[in-house]
Amino acid sequence: QKEVEQDPGPLSVPEGAIVSLNCTYSNSAFQYFMWYRQYSRKGPELLMYTYSSGNKEDGRFTAQVDKSSKYISLFIRDSQPSDSATYLCSSFTGGGNKLTFGTGTQLKVEL
Amino acid sequence: GAVVSQHPSWVICKSGTSVKIECRSLDFQATTMFWYRQFPKQSLMLMATSNEGSKATYEQGVEKDKFLINHASLTLSTLTVTSAHPEDSSFYICSARGRLAFHEQFFGPGTRLTVL
Repeated sequence: QKEVEQDPGPLSVPEGAIVSLNCTYSNSAFQYFMWYRQYSRKGPELLMYTYSSGNKEDGRFTAQVDKSSKYISLFIRDSQPSDSATYLCSSFTGGGNKLTFGTGTQLKVEL
Repeated sequence: GAVVSQHPSWVICKSGTSVKIECRSLDFQATTMFWYRQFPKQSLMLMATSNEGSKATYEQGVEKDKFLINHASLTLSTLTVTSAHPEDSSFYICSARGRLAFHEQFFGPGTRLTVL
């Protein structure tokens, strides 16, 4: 079992829709949870990070972590075609060096 | 966020030659740098972790004599693919982490390597 599981998609939504991207994880030691956005043929870009459980909002993006169910979510409101990318969730214990990534979900926002 | 650059952005080389990829943190000191490999439509695969001034730590299955990593300063790490073969063709991405915000890891734009 992978430590971080993510549905690879692709996920296609109309412009303006609310998008929900999700991951599950198995390592209880994970404390930091990140979402990265990766456009085709580019490096990942850090969107948001959350420490422990709770919500964090930044503009149209909301990250949510539920440690009791080991569930990580990213919500995108009023989705735009420019949001079309692959979204990677990742987790980090805080004590070690490595980020653990999900496989990424490919999102397409259509006009 | 902090900026990480990579050079070159793409490279084509002949089989048997060596290729060097540079990774620079432009506006912060990177105490730790990471090298990843990514195949099409797949996630990032960590190859190695390097701390400034010390030897890199390679992930299981990654040949350290083939993928030479040097992290000589707090702003520069290099990955050299030695005696490259077509199966080494891939997208190589570096990332860097600073001393203070250890949970924030910033990625370079990637280098596409094609070995003929």
